[in-house]
Amino acid sequence: AQKITQTQPGMFVQEKEAVTLDCTYDTSDQSYGLFWYKQPSSGEMIFLIYQGSYDEQNATEGRYSLNFQKARKSANLVISASQLGDSAMYFCAMTINQAGTALIFGKGTTLSVSS
Amino acid sequence: EPEVTQTPSHQVTQMGQEVILRCVPISNHLYFYWYRQILGQKVEFLVSFYNNEISEKSEIFDDQFSVERPDGSNFTLKIRSTKLEDSAMYFCASRGQGLTNEKLFFGSGTQLSVL
Repeated sequence: AQKITQTQPGMFVQEKEAVTLDCTYDTSDQSYGLFWYKQPSSGEMIFLIYQGSYDEQNATEGRYSLNFQKARKSANLVISASQLGDSAMYFCAMTINQAGTALIFGKGTTLSVSS
Repeated sequence: EPEVTQTPSHQVTQMGQEVILRCVPISNHLYFYWYRQILGQKVEFLVSFYNNEISEKSEIFDDQFSVERPDGSNFTLKIRSTKLEDSAMYFCASRGQGLTNEKLFFGSGTQLSVL
């Protein structure tokens, strides 16, 4: 079974600085997908970025990038130029390559951005 | 962007009562999911549903839980006899073809409070 580990319960960063949120995963499958979701205090789940296990390049979406290190089984989220609106809970998730298999989530990291 | 719709947004019930949480997934999606999140904790997978049957379920999804797609649009989660520990935010989600690289579209959740 797959497992996602997020070891940072909380992170603090100043506005305009970059921050890295850690995520490690465990699976015996060779084909899988990794996701990051943001959950602000309002509660909705917002998709941020996706990385496939066979993707050779790290995924980027605007200020978000995913530092994918396959050998280390890590998929860290990097947020550049943090903004106050980035304050939220961030969840790493993965799914394996079987049709419709559910995403399994980590425990999340609370990011606080200060001015 | 298309949306997953959940009703009600809040549900208060007495312990031992039955509740039905309702969801309208995105219309051309084939895979449907229920997740729950106890306040401030991780997002936990409950069940996935495809082609009118359960395709996966977690240990949490015991005999007290059931899911149904009664018509072409609604997807419901029923809890037969609620317990205090069922108090949580319940998220419905859907995915198009169930491909590894497809993100989950989440609804805005139903906050269930069992008294």
